[in-house]
Amino acid sequence: AQSVTQLGSHVSVSEGALVLLRCNYSSSVPPYLFWYVQYPNQGLQLLLKYTTGATLVKGINGFEAEFKKSETSFHLTKPSAHMSDAAEYFCAVSPSGGSNYKLTFGKGTLLTVNP
Amino acid sequence: DTGVSQDPRHKITKRGQNVTFRCDPISEHNRLYWYRQTLGQGPEFLTYFQNEAQLEKSRLLSDRFSAERPKGSFSTLEIQRTEQGDSAMYLCASSPGAGSGETQYFGPGTRLLVL
Repeated sequence: AQSVTQLGSHVSVSEGALVLLRCNYSSSVPPYLFWYVQYPNQGLQLLLKYTTGATLVKGINGFEAEFKKSETSFHLTKPSAHMSDAAEYFCAVSPSGGSNYKLTFGKGTLLTVNP
Repeated sequence: DTGVSQDPRHKITKRGQNVTFRCDPISEHNRLYWYRQTLGQGPEFLTYFQNEAQLEKSRLLSDRFSAERPKGSFSTLEIQRTEQGDSAMYLCASSPGAGSGETQYFGPGTRLLVL
């Protein structure tokens, strides 16, 4: 079974500061990894994903994440926070094999950005 | 792409009533997923379809829940004899069905409140 742990249910940063959202996973085999963002009253939007290849993945809106197999981590970063980044962020994993590519999500991290 | 759409966006019902939600996936997407998201939690997998075939159901999907995807196009999720514990956001997602690691595109969700 796969699971995802997001450390910190709420992260608060100042505008222009570094954003770091932590994600660790548990899986018997290396899974595929995703970060989604959810704005209030909206569905989830993909920020970035890692499947194969380069372990540093760049996504939309200046976000990036690095897959570290030895640490079973996939932390999300952004060098400089913007007010529009305030939202809830979900880390998710899916199997790298089989036929059901269902996503298993963490509990989410609410990011607030202070002016 | 017009994106994944869901209807209704909000539903308030009384305990014991039946409700039905609809999801229209992105055109030509073969896979369709249903997830449930409760307050403070990440989305949890309920079931998925490959074209019109329902291939897997989560243990979360009790006998009161039924999902269909006639002709492999839109999908419906019905909850019979609703309970207060059914109150949640119901999310639909679709993907091309090309293989593992592919992106799932989410709809805006249907928020259900059972009184």
